[in-house]
Amino acid sequence: DAGVTQSPTHLIKTRGQQVTLRCSPKSGHDTVSWYQQALGQGPQFIFQYYEEEERQRGNFPDRFSGHQFPNYSSELNVNALLLGDSALYLCASSLGQGGSYEQYFGPGTRLTVT
Amino acid sequence: AQTVTQSQPEMSVQEAETVTLSCTYDTSESDYYLFWYKQPPSRQMILVIRQEAYKQQNATENRFSVNFQKAAKSFSLKISDSQLGDAAMYFCAYRSRGNSGYALNFGKGTSLLVTP
Repeated sequence: DAGVTQSPTHLIKTRGQQVTLRCSPKSGHDTVSWYQQALGQGPQFIFQYYEEEERQRGNFPDRFSGHQFPNYSSELNVNALLLGDSALYLCASSLGQGGSYEQYFGPGTRLTVT
Repeated sequence: AQTVTQSQPEMSVQEAETVTLSCTYDTSESDYYLFWYKQPPSRQMILVIRQEAYKQQNATENRFSVNFQKAAKSFSLKISDSQLGDAAMYFCAYRSRGNSGYALNFGKGTSLLVTP
């Protein structure tokens, strides 16, 4: 049973560029959440997708957008990259949006903006 | 918004000993979930233990147990018989129970060092 997978593992971009990160949820899961984890900090919630719609959003600017596909996989897009966007981006999947359902995390994508 | 505070940036424990990691949170809600996650150097977050606020009994998972004090808004993690593999960052997290809260709110983490 494959867990949550993310690609790429590492990414280096230049300020002002755009980036797309990808996530495949754990088998059987239908909900994907994205988190940003800056160095030395806890993860910060970006948004959550369920039934191909953004259901909840954290305190992130519109430069951060996402998409969920019919097979439940998801993309995170960041436009006009800033140096401060350098972080580990974590994807988590779950069965259903809330409740006691555990969120399973992927290994993350390390984004470096130069 | 709910805030989660972990006041211990680093902790150290000897193998086979017991260590307690602290977590406090601020909320006006009466029903919610609390979690402890472990993040080893491999970066993948792993759920250690979960507590539902409406349950008075403290959760236990093998060597891991919590001390949940709802009135004090405290949720500490006790690791018994510590092992070298327990070395990692530990994050305390909060999630609302209702439909408005799907996000996990994390603390800043505690780095646990386990010495032989």
